[in-house]
Amino acid sequence: GAGVSQSPSNKVTEKGKDVELRCDPISGHTALYWYRQRLGQGLEFLIYFQGNSAPDKSGLPSDRFSAERTGESVSTLTIQRTQQEDSAVYLCASSTGTEVYGYTFGSGTRLTVV
Amino acid sequence: GNSVTQMEGPVTLSEEAFLTINCTYTATGYPSLFWYVQYPGEGLQLLLKATKADDKGSNKGFEATYRKETTSFHLEKGSVQVSDSAVYFCALRASNSGYALNFGKGTSLLVTP
Repeated sequence: GAGVSQSPSNKVTEKGKDVELRCDPISGHTALYWYRQRLGQGLEFLIYFQGNSAPDKSGLPSDRFSAERTGESVSTLTIQRTQQEDSAVYLCASSTGTEVYGYTFGSGTRLTVV
Repeated sequence: GNSVTQMEGPVTLSEEAFLTINCTYTATGYPSLFWYVQYPGEGLQLLLKATKADDKGSNKGFEATYRKETTSFHLEKGSVQVSDSAVYFCALRASNSGYALNFGKGTSLLVTP
């Protein structure tokens, strides 16, 4: 597609429920990233995919968080047993993976855990 | 570790004023440096980048020079417009961090007519 698409744009969920966040990267972009942006904070790196594999999962905050990517395209970030501290905007980005380029970001999913 | 420090906001300026948003970094090796902008209600967009010392990135009237001696990448614009009101993020990609970016906390800019 023309840009990085994320869905849903907004999600309100009850504490303890599981949520899935979806990212459709730009076609042909081999690298895909998930970041979290809490209110008033900078972006926090979560996970990076090169193709369908995740060489860097160092940013996942706990084992409640997981992510997968299929077909070198769509990625899903799953948060199990959501907690209020998971409330944030979850941003997805994709890139060609070439060193000199930055990313293209999606508009994010705003997750609110009540 | 790798990190980015930005000046605290919010920054409020009158239209046509000169803008500087300070950014300093800590990183091993020779990182690439970026400024991203987030306009109200929109996603993050790459504003400009520099990949080696003394490079100057520029776009839309904004400039930033990669200064290795002072580990800085300050964002400047000679004459801001109301439409420049946004949150600006400085970021780096270090040679030892794969492709992950380290972001600063962002600086909110409000330009008034």
